[in-house]
Amino acid sequence: EDQVTQSPEALRLQEGESSSLNCSYTVSGLRGLFWYRQDPGKGPEFLFTLYSAGEEKEKERLKATLTKKESFLHITAPKPEDSATYLCAVRHDYKLSFGAGTTVTVRA
Amino acid sequence: DAGITQSPRHKVTETGTPVTLRCHQTENHRYMYWYRQDPGHGLRLIHYSYGVKDTDKGEVSDGYSVSRSKTEDFLLTLESATSSQTSVYFCAISTAQETQYFGPGTRLLVL
Repeated sequence: EDQVTQSPEALRLQEGESSSLNCSYTVSGLRGLFWYRQDPGKGPEFLFTLYSAGEEKEKERLKATLTKKESFLHITAPKPEDSATYLCAVRHDYKLSFGAGTTVTVRA
Repeated sequence: DAGITQSPRHKVTETGTPVTLRCHQTENHRYMYWYRQDPGHGLRLIHYSYGVKDTDKGEVSDGYSVSRSKTEDFLLTLESATSSQTSVYFCAISTAQETQYFGPGTRLLVL
C-alpha cells in the first residue's frame, strides 16, 4: 500500500526566512511525485511533477527535489502570499495517494 | 484552468437523504476522479472513471456510487447520507501528461 507522510504539519515563517518541507513516501513503481498548493476554500493547484531521483524543478521562490525515498519543497525568502497548505502525492497506476499536507504561514 | 466546475458548491442535508454532486469538464479528458478531504487525512480517492460508463472504486468508496454517461459529466451519489460523509468533495481530471487538476470543491454538511 502506498504511503505518503508530510512533515512538519505546520510551519510558521517570518518573511524572508527560508525553509524546507518534507514528503517521505513508500510506493512500488513510482510513476511521479506531485506537489500541489492549496489555499483555504479552494481546490489544490498543481505546482510540480518529479519522476526520478536527482530531479529538481523550480517556480519562483519554490524548488522541489526528489530522492529515492523523499522529496523536499524548498521555499526561498518566502513572502506572505506563499502562505498556503502544500500537498505531496505519489502516482501509482492512474491514481494519486496524498499526504496530509503542510500548512505554511508567512508573517510580514 | 482545466475547465472544471462542480455543483452545488455548498449543500446542507439531513441524515438518510440522497445527495448527488456533479462534476463538469469542458476539455474531454478521459480520466475523472472524486476525492474527499478531511482534516488530518488529506485527500482520499472515492471513485474514478476512465471513460464513459467505465468506473472503479478508490480507497473510501463505501456509501458512494458514481455514474458517467457523458465524457464531460461525472456524478457522485450518496444514496443515504450519513454524518460521517460531511466533508469537502473535490473532482479532478487527468490530462494526457497524467497530471491531475482539481475543481473548486463542494462543501457538504450532513446533519
